[in-house]
Amino acid sequence: ETTLTQSPAFMSATPGDKVNISCKASQDIDDDMNWYQQKPGEAAIFIIQEATTLVPGIPPRFSGSGYGTDFTLTINNIESEDAAYYFCLQHDNFPLTFGGGTKVEIK
Amino acid sequence: QITLKESGPTLVKPTQTLTLTCTFSGFSLSTSGVGVGWIRQPPGKALEWLALIYWDDDKRYSPSLKSRLTITKDTSKNQVVLTMTNMDPVDTATYYCACYGSGSYPDYWGQGTLVTVSS
Repeated sequence: ETTLTQSPAFMSATPGDKVNISCKASQDIDDDMNWYQQKPGEAAIFIIQEATTLVPGIPPRFSGSGYGTDFTLTINNIESEDAAYYFCLQHDNFPLTFGGGTKVEIK
Repeated sequence: QITLKESGPTLVKPTQTLTLTCTFSGFSLSTSGVGVGWIRQPPGKALEWLALIYWDDDKRYSPSLKSRLTITKDTSKNQVVLTMTNMDPVDTATYYCACYGSGSYPDYWGQGTLVTVSS
């Protein structure tokens, strides 16, 4: 089973900031990494697929990078509407596993 | 537009069996490659993958919970059902269902349903 270590668990940002969220896999998962955004009481939204590909309809201020074991979700010029819980998911092998999540607060 | 909605009891007693239903629209579970699965999140904890069923009735389960889980589908009703036996307070969580449009990972999620296990 692949363990995903996500950091930080919480962060506070100011509108306009650049935010980086890390997800480290316990073994090589190629680019089989996705990122999701979730707001309280709402369905999670799929934002990055295959580590670097922006899901259609997602604002271009979101981007993903990484391969193998180290991955990063970047939010450029963060906006107030980006306040949410973000989590990573590996789909390289079963069982699929998740990072611990990052709560992003906007000041 | 793809939507999924979870339904089931909000409270179950220890040792009881939980039955959750995912009712979806906007896609068909008879389409090649498509799957529907379940994921849960205990309060304040990380998400945990539970089970997945494919269009061809192939199934995958979490190894740690496999003995307690059963996933089935009713394609005509656009529903997927998850049963979990021998519920325990540690199973208290929000349970989500999700569509695997490509078969490999969830791309659409439901809003989730909170299930509390308590006597």
